[in-house]
Amino acid sequence: AQRVTQPEKLLSVFKGAPVELKCNYSYSGSPELFWYVQYSRQRLQLLLRHISRESIKGFTADLNKGETSFHLKKPFAQEEDSAMYYCALRVDYKLSFGAGTTVTVRA
Amino acid sequence: GAGVSQSPSNKVTEKGKDVELRCDPISGHTALYWYRQSLGQGLEFLIYFQGNSAPDKSGLPSDRFSAERTGGSVSTLTIQRTQQEDSAVYLCASSLRPLLNTGELFFGEGSRLTVL
Repeated sequence: AQRVTQPEKLLSVFKGAPVELKCNYSYSGSPELFWYVQYSRQRLQLLLRHISRESIKGFTADLNKGETSFHLKKPFAQEEDSAMYYCALRVDYKLSFGAGTTVTVRA
Repeated sequence: GAGVSQSPSNKVTEKGKDVELRCDPISGHTALYWYRQSLGQGLEFLIYFQGNSAPDKSGLPSDRFSAERTGGSVSTLTIQRTQQEDSAVYLCASSLRPLLNTGELFFGEGSRLTVL
């Protein structure tokens, strides 16, 4: 069965410091992975998807099939990056989400 | 409206009562999902609708939980004989088609349920 693991529930960094959110998955098929973000008092929304190989708001994520990981990174965190981040794995019509990581960026 | 709409936004109920949560998806979105968001559990999948049928109900926690969708649009999640462990935020999401290649779900703001 598929599974998404986000080992860090809370992550606190200083403004301007690098931030990395870990995500590991288990899935026997070809994985499609995503990061979703929920800012305070806002809806959960898609941040980026691995197939697009895009950088959104300075965030990037690389799929590493050997390590079954899809970590989210940003070289210089900003206060507006404070949010809850969820890693998600697509299997057919459904997204399976991890437990989420709450990121706090301090001035 | 342009987004997924959920009601009520907050619901406080007593243990043993029934509750209904409503979701109005984005117009034209055929796929509709219910998830439950609770501390430490992340987002748990509950049920998936394609049109009015629910091919996947595998995430419903017990037979106290049921959901329906009518007219290919509005969906209602019903929890009977609520228990304290049902306290959570219930999120509804929709997509134009069942996630084809985009993986993008559009979420509502959620219904926060508190069972006393």
